[in-house]
Amino acid sequence: AQSVTQLDSQVPVFEEAPVELRCNYSSSVSVYLFWYVQYPNQGLQLLLKYLSGSTLVKGINGFEAEFNKSQTSFHLRKPSVHISDTAEYFCAVARSGNTGKLIFGQGTTLQVKP
Amino acid sequence: DSGVTQTPKHLITATGQRVTLRCSPRSGDLSVYWYQQSLDQGLQFLIQYYNGEERAKGNILERFSAQQFPDLHSELNLSSLELGDSALYFCASSVREGGAGGELFFGEGSRLTVL
Repeated sequence: AQSVTQLDSQVPVFEEAPVELRCNYSSSVSVYLFWYVQYPNQGLQLLLKYLSGSTLVKGINGFEAEFNKSQTSFHLRKPSVHISDTAEYFCAVARSGNTGKLIFGQGTTLQVKP
Repeated sequence: DSGVTQTPKHLITATGQRVTLRCSPRSGDLSVYWYQQSLDQGLQFLIQYYNGEERAKGNILERFSAQQFPDLHSELNLSSLELGDSALYFCASSVREGGAGGELFFGEGSRLTVL
C-alpha cells in the first residue's frame, strides 16, 4: 500500500520569500508523484507531476519539485512567493496503471503574508 | 474553470436521508472519479468509472453507490446518511482510463452537511 505524509500542516511565509513544502511517501512499488493546489472555494488543480525521467520537475506558477528516491521525498519549492499563492497544497501518489486513483497527503496550508 | 460541473454546490439534509450528487465531466473525457474531502479523513478516492463501467474502487461505503450514464455524466448516491458523511465531494475527469498521467480535472465540489 502507498501512503503520503506532508510534514507541515501550515507554512507561513512573507511575500517574495522562498518556500518549501515537504512531502514524504511510502510505497513498495514504483509510483508516480503529484502536487495539486486548492484555492479557496475551488477544486484541485494540478501543479506538477513526476512520472519518470529528470528528477527535477517544473510546474505552473513558478513551482518546482524534486523527486528523491533514496529519501522517498517529493518536496515542492518556489523561490519567491506571491500573495496569490496562498492556498492548500496536496501531495499525492499513484501507482502506474491508474494515475487517477490518487492517494493524497493531509495537505499544507501556505499562508503568504504581505 | 476546469470544465467539470458539479451540482448541487451545497446541500443540507438530515440523518437517515438519501441524496444524489451529479457530475458532468469535461467534454471528451471518458473517466470520472469521485473523491471525498473531510476534516477527519482528508481527501479520499471513492470510485472511478470509465465509459459507463466501474473501473476502480476505493474507500467507498456500502451505503454509497455511483453510476456513469451513456452521456458520460455521473451520479453519486449517498443513503442512510450519518453525521460523519458531512464532507466536500469532488468529481474529477480525465480523457483516458488510466488517469492520463495524473492530469485530473476537478470540479468545485458539492458540500454536503448532514444535521
